[in-house]
Amino acid sequence: SQQGEEDPQALSIQEGENATMNCSYKTSINNLQWYRQNSGRGLVHLILIRSNEREKHSGRLRVTLDTSKKSSSLLITASRAADTASYFCATPSSNDYKLSFGAGTTVTVRA
Amino acid sequence: DSGVTQTPKHLITATGQRVTLRCSPRSGDLSVYWYQQSLDQGLQFLIQYYNGEERAKGNILERFSAQQFPDLHSELNLSSLELGDSALYFCASSVFSGRELFFGEGSRLTVL
Repeated sequence: SQQGEEDPQALSIQEGENATMNCSYKTSINNLQWYRQNSGRGLVHLILIRSNEREKHSGRLRVTLDTSKKSSSLLITASRAADTASYFCATPSSNDYKLSFGAGTTVTVRA
Repeated sequence: DSGVTQTPKHLITATGQRVTLRCSPRSGDLSVYWYQQSLDQGLQFLIQYYNGEERAKGNILERFSAQQFPDLHSELNLSSLELGDSALYFCASSVFSGRELFFGEGSRLTVL
């Protein structure tokens, strides 16, 4: 079963625009992670936000976490063609042994 | 380059056959995870090992088995293959459970 669910399923934007995607999860977590996957390639870790953090930045990425609403968002600013990929949120199980991924948001950045 | 190596990259086999997928984790990582990614099921967690011991099991079929060896490399064995087993199989490693995972490039299995 998938713990996190991303929204929207797909997103198409113009180069230079911002892209925002959301993740909702069901149970309490210690942290939430975001990953990127280029078509047919391995997933790449982008950012980890702990349950006691509300916002985290990494380059053009901004992640927020609202534990009261059990939701997180990933913002990519000033998007580039190279940002075209699928983005997944992932949450660990209560014992941290299992990391579950959502279905992902497919982002297409048009030149 | 994540530092996680998976072999083979591509594999084509017939129904009923058995295959072994191999994974070498990043140097120093004790945890190894296996995932299956297909179009209809998404990214499914199969199993996790930590320093040779099984720690968590997900939606892994009885026809599938895995192990982690003393040198920390891991193998995923898939037997009595069915058409529906065609998928990308990913291995990932991490230093500790619950932390960020580093993924290999995957093994693409096609069952004909």
